[in-house]
Amino acid sequence: GPKVLQIPSHQIIDMGQMVTLNCDPVSNHLYFYWYKQILGQQMEFLVNFYNGKVMEKSKLFKDQFSVERPDGSYFTLKIQPTALEDSAVYFCASSLGQSAETLYFGSGTRLTVL
Amino acid sequence: QQQVRQSSQSLTVWEGETAILNCSYENSAFDYFPWYQQFPGEGPALLIAIRSVSDKKEDGRFTIFFNKREKNLSLHIKDSQPGDSATYFCAASPSGYNKLTFGKGTVLLVSP
Repeated sequence: GPKVLQIPSHQIIDMGQMVTLNCDPVSNHLYFYWYKQILGQQMEFLVNFYNGKVMEKSKLFKDQFSVERPDGSYFTLKIQPTALEDSAVYFCASSLGQSAETLYFGSGTRLTVL
Repeated sequence: QQQVRQSSQSLTVWEGETAILNCSYENSAFDYFPWYQQFPGEGPALLIAIRSVSDKKEDGRFTIFFNKREKNLSLHIKDSQPGDSATYFCAASPSGYNKLTFGKGTVLLVSP
């Protein structure tokens, strides 16, 4: 089936540094999402993105977070500066339409902030 | 406050048995209820889903039973196989909306 690719699968950085998580969504999809999962907890919605704009973001999407998809390339999540509590697995997803039925997820990027 | 709650963190069944995974929710606006299956090292993949207008959805060995009045649902996996061993997430969203609320997941182990 359709694949969402996330690069890298693991990232370790020092607190205060900047990190960019990359997502290659399904090629004809129009809506893009980031979810965050802390170990042992549920996946939680961070943000969705359509037509170059953030449509909705949760309270977990702090001011240090930003998303973009320049020129149809990777959909990225940037955290600057990082904090210890940003350590989690970040899942990217994409969908063709606005309905939740069409969401496809990547395999996640495990971010460790030291 | 958890809006989608899965009653078991883990469940072990023998091969050939029916595994039953339970889920409940709080938000009456939730209309769409997918179950996602996740294997280690992979992302969650949609397994089966139901809308609140239905009380049952079947797809092969997988069946969702839905009770709108009680705000709960369950996933039944008939004739469980070792390959079904995975984490199962119950999720929910309002109609026509693309933001899913997930439960914490149930780790299913099917022993041969």
